Amino acid sequence: NAGVTQTPKFQVLKTGQSMTLQCAQDMNHNSMYWYRQDPGMGLRLIYYSASEGTTDKGEVPNGYNVSRLNKREFSLRLESAAPSQTSVYFCASSDPRVETQYFGPGTRLLVL
Amino acid sequence: GENVEQHPSTLSVQEGDSAVIKCTYSDSASNYFPWYKQELGKRPQLIIDIRSNVGEKKDQRIAVTLNKTAKHFSLHITETQPEDSAVYFCAASNGPGGYNKLIFGAGTRLAVHP
Repeated sequence: NAGVTQTPKFQVLKTGQSMTLQCAQDMNHNSMYWYRQDPGMGLRLIYYSASEGTTDKGEVPNGYNVSRLNKREFSLRLESAAPSQTSVYFCASSDPRVETQYFGPGTRLLVL
Repeated sequence: GENVEQHPSTLSVQEGDSAVIKCTYSDSASNYFPWYKQELGKRPQLIIDIRSNVGEKKDQRIAVTLNKTAKHFSLHITETQPEDSAVYFCAASNGPGGYNKLIFGAGTRLAVHP
């Protein structure tokens, strides 16, 4: 049982490049989330998916898109990366019966 | 929308002392309040949570208290140990159930000195 996994672990992009961050969970959770973590600002919700087939904006959705590919997978896409998107990105999932969110190991993204 | 403020931003204690971290929230509809611990370079991990129908919850050396009237909640760590050194985040949510849009505080960096 791997829990929540994320790929890649680390990525360097140039301004304007695009990329997709992948997230998968094997806990049969309905809900999945994408956060970004910046120094001194805690974690901020980018997008979430309450259940398979639905996605909604969080606090800071601008510049991102998401896809809930199936119950296990939730991807985050940066269409045209900007230096302001340099951050650590965490994916999380939760079960509707238990509100605890379980986090993945994170993806460290540097946009030059 | 919800806003969560967390204090202090840094906290330094001697091993064996107690540590208290406080958070306030703005949305009176919030009903779920988790605390996460994040060690350097690692993912956040839940250490304790409390729901709005409970005033206090304890798990060994950690406890959380909630004052709904004042809209604040606190994390208490007793008999601190060096391995308690980490960044601690509080969060609040008023999810309708099934999922939670957690709003996090900015974090408290706790250092426990031997």
